[in-house]
Amino acid sequence: QISLKESGPTLVRPTQTLTLTCTFSGFSLATPGVGVDFIRQTPGEALEWLGLIYWNDDKRYNPSLRSRLTLTKDTSKNQVVLTMTNMEPGDTATYYCAHTNIAAGGVLAAFDIWGQGTLVTVSS
Amino acid sequence: DIQMTQSPSSVSASVGQTVTITCRASQDVGGWLAWYQQRPGEAPNLLIYGASSLQSGVPSRFSGSGIGTEFTLTISSLEPEDKATYYCQQAKSFPRTFGQGTKVDIK
Repeated sequence: QISLKESGPTLVRPTQTLTLTCTFSGFSLATPGVGVDFIRQTPGEALEWLGLIYWNDDKRYNPSLRSRLTLTKDTSKNQVVLTMTNMEPGDTATYYCAHTNIAAGGVLAAFDIWGQGTLVTVSS
Repeated sequence: DIQMTQSPSSVSASVGQTVTITCRASQDVGGWLAWYQQRPGEAPNLLIYGASSLQSGVPSRFSGSGIGTEFTLTISSLEPEDKATYYCQQAKSFPRTFGQGTKVDIK
């Protein structure tokens, strides 16, 4: 059974760097086709895709945030880490990681399993 | 970026009724379209992928249709637990983008 869980600070000061860890079980990020995405949801409920890291270490980022985002994976620890620099109050949101699979027979790149989400508040 | 536009923004219906939500893409996304349900305080949950494929474990009263730029999510025989916000999302190209959501309420 696949599960994911986000962890990291709940409060970040403006200009600081956010580091979020997605720890997962039930799948391997070494399996062809598998990926982990990060998505955030603002208090107004809009969903914004941040980025994706694939099994082969291919990475994709939202161009609107590209300069601030970095994704890395540790396959042995079953973890993906997202760093976002220069945080500002507009980055206050619930941050989710989610499993995806582009392999044949998969869910055609949809996000089939989500973590519970973690609320990050940016405030001085 | 591909813009996803949902209508209506909210709908209220009685238990047993049918609810239809529309999602329009600003560009052709083929069949690379997913639908999610989000109940208050919960993470989104995948209902439909590939525009019309029902995710495992999702009740059969949910169905999806469409291709290209226009898609529909239909909830047949609405149940009280279907009170939620529904989002469409395109998986055709990067960045992945979502619709703004449709809130379904029960009369």
